[in-house]
Amino acid sequence: QQPVQSPQAVILREGEDAVINCSSSKALYSVHWYRQKHGEAPVFLMILLKGGEQKGHEKISASFNEKKQQSSLYLTASQLSYSGTYFCGTAKTSYDKVIFGPGTSLSVIP
Amino acid sequence: KAGVTQTPRYLIKTRGQQVTLSCSPISGHRSVSWYQQTPGQGLQFLFEYFSETQRNKGNFPGRFSGRQFSNSRSEMNVSTLELGDSALYLCASSFGSQNVDTEAFFGQGTRLTVV
Repeated sequence: QQPVQSPQAVILREGEDAVINCSSSKALYSVHWYRQKHGEAPVFLMILLKGGEQKGHEKISASFNEKKQQSSLYLTASQLSYSGTYFCGTAKTSYDKVIFGPGTSLSVIP
Repeated sequence: KAGVTQTPRYLIKTRGQQVTLSCSPISGHRSVSWYQQTPGQGLQFLFEYFSETQRNKGNFPGRFSGRQFSNSRSEMNVSTLELGDSALYLCASSFGSQNVDTEAFFGQGTRLTVV
């Protein structure tokens, strides 16, 4: 089942912060975050695993609440380069497929 | 290190025809997953292959099939094309057998248009 992302779209000015949320109705093993810029392939940002392990890029932060089956991606001091569509993907077990949400469109303006 | 290569990049087919898309993963990666991307639908999972075996399958009709070769290259086939199959088809490769806890690298995709 596809995870739910919120908001659907957000517009920020440079330097502002944003939070993108991802939630699932099922218990999760892992949450994955990717960013896709227009006309480009999705690029990996972070993986959050059940139990607290995180793997990702240093400048990106995220949280994973296992009990609530929710994850949030935190974008601080946004830059123009942060613009794109952010996808969260979830998996129920360690051998399950990754199902992605519909995406959150983020636009950073000067 | 070369990235994930998908061919062709663009394809126009007529309704009822069939099509084969190709994906060459990063050298050393053994897992390949396929996704269909359409506006508003995000990335819809098609299937995942690891070491020539299909490990997971999404909720697509049997017209969508795939395979993986011994060199990890993967192909996806869609038979009896419908207008609704028009989409960007992305493949992603990863090192591990479990796609869930490793970083996946996406190709640029194949843009399929069915007329």
